[in-house]
Amino acid sequence: NAGVTQTPKFQVLKTGQSMTLQCAQDMNHEYMSWYRQDPGMGLRLIHYSVGAGITDQGEVPNGYNVSRSTTEDFPLRLLSAAPSQTSVYFCASSYSRGQTPLHFGNGTRLTVT
Amino acid sequence: DQQVKQNSPSLSVQEGRISILNCDYTNSMFDYFLWYKKYPAEGPTFLISISSIKDKNEDGRFTVFLNKSAKHLSLHIVPSQPGDSAVYFCAATQGAQKLVFGQGTRLTINP
Repeated sequence: NAGVTQTPKFQVLKTGQSMTLQCAQDMNHEYMSWYRQDPGMGLRLIHYSVGAGITDQGEVPNGYNVSRSTTEDFPLRLLSAAPSQTSVYFCASSYSRGQTPLHFGNGTRLTVT
Repeated sequence: DQQVKQNSPSLSVQEGRISILNCDYTNSMFDYFLWYKKYPAEGPTFLISISSIKDKNEDGRFTVFLNKSAKHLSLHIVPSQPGDSAVYFCAATQGAQKLVFGQGTRLTINP
């Protein structure tokens, strides 16, 4: 069991570039989510999905897109990178939303110059 | 509006002593609370949780206390060990809603 796998581990983008952060889980979890971690802000929810074909916005969705075509994969797309999107991004999954503990990937550190 | 707050960005404790990490919340509808631990360059990992119908939950060296009237929870680690040095996040949820995280507290255990 690999758990939650995120790629890449590090990425540097120029302002205006686009990219996709990959997230895959092998635990057959229905719920998947993306968080960003910034100093002094904790973990903030960007987007989430309660199952294949269903996605919804979290706290800070602007500038990001997601899709969920399979149970296993939940990619996060940055449409036009901005310096404010410099952050550490975590993908997480669980059996269901709410009271089930989340399993996190090891994160992607993104720098936008 | 920060619904879950960890007001101490850092805490330093001597090895073998008790570590107490605190967390306050504003939403009285929260009914489930969790603590996560995070090492550098890794994702957070689940540590312990408590339902609002309880006021205490223990798991080995870790105990979480919930004071609903004060909207306050705390994590006690006894005895503290060097491997406990990490960032600790508290989180809260209401029913099947989204988890809301605090800002985190960096715990350093000194030998």
